[in-house]
Amino acid sequence: DTGVSQDPRHKITKRGQNVTFRCDPISEHNRLYWYRQTLGQGPEFLTYFQNEAQLEKSRLLSDRFSAERPKGSFSTLEIQRTEQGDSAMYLCASSDGRGNTEAFFGQGTRLTVV
Amino acid sequence: DAKTTQPPSMDCAEGRAANLPCNHSTISGNEYVYWYRQIHSQGPQYIIHGLKNNETNEMASLIITEDRKSSTLILPHATLRDTAVYYCIVMRAAGNKLTFGGGTRVLVKP
Repeated sequence: DTGVSQDPRHKITKRGQNVTFRCDPISEHNRLYWYRQTLGQGPEFLTYFQNEAQLEKSRLLSDRFSAERPKGSFSTLEIQRTEQGDSAMYLCASSDGRGNTEAFFGQGTRLTVV
Repeated sequence: DAKTTQPPSMDCAEGRAANLPCNHSTISGNEYVYWYRQIHSQGPQYIIHGLKNNETNEMASLIITEDRKSSTLILPHATLRDTAVYYCIVMRAAGNKLTFGGGTRVLVKP
C-alpha cells in the first residue's frame, strides 16, 4: 500500500485558467475527502465521497469547483476560471469509513494562481 | 461536532515529554477526541484517538479527563522531528469530516 497519492504536487497557473487535480486513495478505502489549506490556517473541509457518491459539499465549494469520483476509485477536483484567492494547498484524504477510524492524507497539491 | 481550544504555540526540549492540552467542554457522549499533526509542507498525519479511556500507541499517549471536557496529548520523548502543528479534533463516531482549528505549533528545541 503506497498511501494516498496526489498529482501534481505543485501547479502554477494564470488567473482565469482551469486546473484539475487528481487523488488516488488507499485501495479499498470507500471514503475520500478534499480539503483546502491556506497559509497559516488549518485545513478546511471541501467535500467528501462515499464510493462514487458525493455526499457533502462545503459552502466553500463555489460553482467554479467540481469534484468527481467515477467508479469509486480515484477522484478529481477541477477549478474553473481560477482566481488568485484559489491559491492554496489542496489536500486529499481517504478512510475505510468504518466507525471511528482515522483518515490518511496525501501530500497535497500546492496551487499558485498568478 | 464540538469545538476545541488549544494554545497557539509551545516549546519543548528535545528528549523531554511534551504535554499538549486541549479543551472540548461541549463534547457529547458519542464524540471521539482525535489528534493529528502536520509537519511543514506535508499532509496531516493521524496520531491517536480515544473516547473515554486513556490510550497509548507507538507515537503518543492520550489522557482524557473523567468528565471528557479536556484531554492531553503526551509525546513521551520529543525529538526534533516532532516539530509540527498539532490538531485536537472532536468528531462523532462514523463522522464524515475533520474540522481543524488553529492547532498548537510545537517547536522542539535541542
